[in-house]
Amino acid sequence: NAGVMQNPRHLVRRRGQEARLRCSPMKGHSHVYWYRQLPEEGLKFMVYLQKENIIDESGMPKERFSAEFPKEGPSILRIQQVVRGDSAAYFCASSSTAGTGPYEQYFGPGTRLTVT
Amino acid sequence: DAKTTQPNSMESNEEEPVHLPCNHSTISGTDYIHWYRQLPSQGPEYVIHGLTSNVNNRMASLAIAEDRKSSTLILHRATLRDAAVYYCILSGAGSYQLTFGKGTKLSVIP
Repeated sequence: NAGVMQNPRHLVRRRGQEARLRCSPMKGHSHVYWYRQLPEEGLKFMVYLQKENIIDESGMPKERFSAEFPKEGPSILRIQQVVRGDSAAYFCASSSTAGTGPYEQYFGPGTRLTVT
Repeated sequence: DAKTTQPNSMESNEEEPVHLPCNHSTISGTDYIHWYRQLPSQGPEYVIHGLTSNVNNRMASLAIAEDRKSSTLILHRATLRDAAVYYCILSGAGSYQLTFGKGTKLSVIP
């Protein structure tokens, strides 16, 4: 079974450019979560999505960040006009169920974004 | 969210048991105790979870205190591959947000 896949694994962007991070959940999983890990810090929840719906985006910065999980294709985390403070590791996780917990979240290997 | 307290770091010799403690004195009656670990340059990996009773799986055992104010993750025979940061996380039933603290960095000595 393929696990959670993320690409690219490493992404370098100049300040002001856009970053697009992709996440393909495990087969059969319809719940996707994005987390951000700043250097020397723990992972922080950003957003929870189901197919075509954003369920909870309480951890997303108010500006420049958006996420989607279309009916077909991977989930996308989009960062517009990146700044140096966006440099971090971004992890995607998926689960088969949610809401009735507990349940396991399966994490991808992460995308390491560097803003120069 | 209820808070957890873990030691910053621990060391273990290879092939010996490791006991990783976690304090959660403000845990609520419906909070589950989860453990995840993160190997260097990788995403977190689920280890085990429990509510009240001790739990065992192929990776580890989870011992939960009777008052549930603390728990211990037990690795029965540490290997070099177990060197990682271990996170103790509380979440209520139905909660999907995992709140990661600093965790315990486990070093395994050959």
